[in-house]
Amino acid sequence: DIVMTQTPLSSPVTLGQPASISCRSSQSLVHSDGNTYLSWLHQRPGQPPRLLIYKIFNRFSGVPDRFSGSGSGTDFTLKISRVEAEDVGVYYCMQSTHFPHTFGRGTNVEIK
Amino acid sequence: EVQLLESGGGLVQPGGSLRLSCAASGFIFSNYVMDWVRQAPGKGLEWVSGINKGGERTDYADSMKGRFTVYRDNSQNTLFLQMNNLRAEDTALYYCIIRPIIGMGGWGQGTLVTVSS
Repeated sequence: DIVMTQTPLSSPVTLGQPASISCRSSQSLVHSDGNTYLSWLHQRPGQPPRLLIYKIFNRFSGVPDRFSGSGSGTDFTLKISRVEAEDVGVYYCMQSTHFPHTFGRGTNVEIK
Repeated sequence: EVQLLESGGGLVQPGGSLRLSCAASGFIFSNYVMDWVRQAPGKGLEWVSGINKGGERTDYADSMKGRFTVYRDNSQNTLFLQMNNLRAEDTALYYCIIRPIIGMGGWGQGTLVTVSS
């Protein structure tokens, strides 16, 4: 199975400051169709996850442009340019290239 | 607006069975690959199973193979997960999701499955 390693696991951030989360996969996530199916999810406490980013850098409908995704192959990054209070919660990376699909352990973003 | 409404969860004894349903609306259900994902209490996310648009191809996590069956009824815009021989470790909130491979995404509120004697 593909192992998705997220760092850090916890990220205390100051409102208005940037935040960055790394996700590394144990194998390349480039699919045979040429796409890389790496997505980012955000889960607020007590809520289901919601999709933020798909295929590395594509923001899902309604996602603020302070969220951006980048990377390739096995190394990926989610950046929040200026953290807002509503951004707290757990962020997960997910790969949908190889079966079984797998998730990172999650990064807990909290306000300092 | 995309809506996914899971149902069918509950308390079941080890070795028992449950069938989960996911009613989809707000999008053309038959155009999208679907997955089931679960989250044990206080834990992270685990992919359970997936099914292609027409229902001909299904995939499962290793620990679910032979026990779980995913299928869909595109005429009723509904996704199903038949779960047999349930174990304590299957206790989780089960979500149906649109596989995030194109510009469509959605998660339901989930349905809770508790396996306990």
